[in-house]
Amino acid sequence: GAGVSQSPRYKVTKRGQDVALRCDPISGHVSLYWYRQALGQGPEFLTYFNYEAQQDKSGLPNDRFSAERPEGSISTLTIQRTEQRDSAMYRCASSSRTGASGNTIYFGEGSWLTVV
Amino acid sequence: SQQGEEDPQALSIQEGENATMNCSYKTSINNLQWYRQNSGRGLVHLILIRSNEREKHSGRLRVTLDTSKKSSSLLITASRAADTASYFCATVRQAAGNKLTFGGGTRVLVKP
Repeated sequence: GAGVSQSPRYKVTKRGQDVALRCDPISGHVSLYWYRQALGQGPEFLTYFNYEAQQDKSGLPNDRFSAERPEGSISTLTIQRTEQRDSAMYRCASSSRTGASGNTIYFGEGSWLTVV
Repeated sequence: SQQGEEDPQALSIQEGENATMNCSYKTSINNLQWYRQNSGRGLVHLILIRSNEREKHSGRLRVTLDTSKKSSSLLITASRAADTASYFCATVRQAAGNKLTFGGGTRVLVKP
C-alpha cells in the first residue's frame, strides 16, 4: 500500500481480554516502530524492529506487552490480560533504512484501544 | 521518558500571523525532527535538522537548532486555519538506540 496501514482502527475490549494490533508497513521498509500515545501527550516509544529482529523493546511497559515481525514485514503488537490503563492510541511507523537517525519515519493513523 | 519538551503547551493566533514554538532537550542528539498531528489523524513528518545544521527551511516552515542550548524552534509564517494541529519535536540519539523520542507537543489554534 501507499502508507503504513494499521488495523483495527478502533477496538473496544473488556478488561482481561487479549488484544492483537496489526501493522502493515510501507512496502520494502526495513525498520518498524511501535509507539503508544495517550490523549494530549506525545507518542511514547514501545519497541522497534530491523527486518525481523527486535532491536529494542525497552519501552514495553511490562510482560503483558509483546511484539513480533516474523517475516520482516507485517508486525503484531499483542497485549495480554488488558487493563484500563492500556487504553490509548497505538501507532506504528516504518522507515526505509535502519534506525531513525537521518531517516524519515512514516506513521500510520493508529489503532485506538479502549479497555472497559 | 520524553527527551524533548515543547513550549508553549498551547498557542492561539489569528490567520496570517506567525507561530513560534520551542523545544528543549536534555542530552546530545544526532538529529531533531518536527511532526504535525491534526485532530484524530496520523503524525506527519515536517522537517529534519541534523546536529551539525543550524537552520532549515521548508515552505512556510523554518527550523533552527542550537546545540549549545539544547534547543530548537519551529516557526510557521503566514499561518492558515489548516495549520491548526499539535506539533511535536522528536530527537534521535544513537546512544539511545537510534529511535525517535517525542516531547509533549504544542497545540496550535489558528483562528480564521
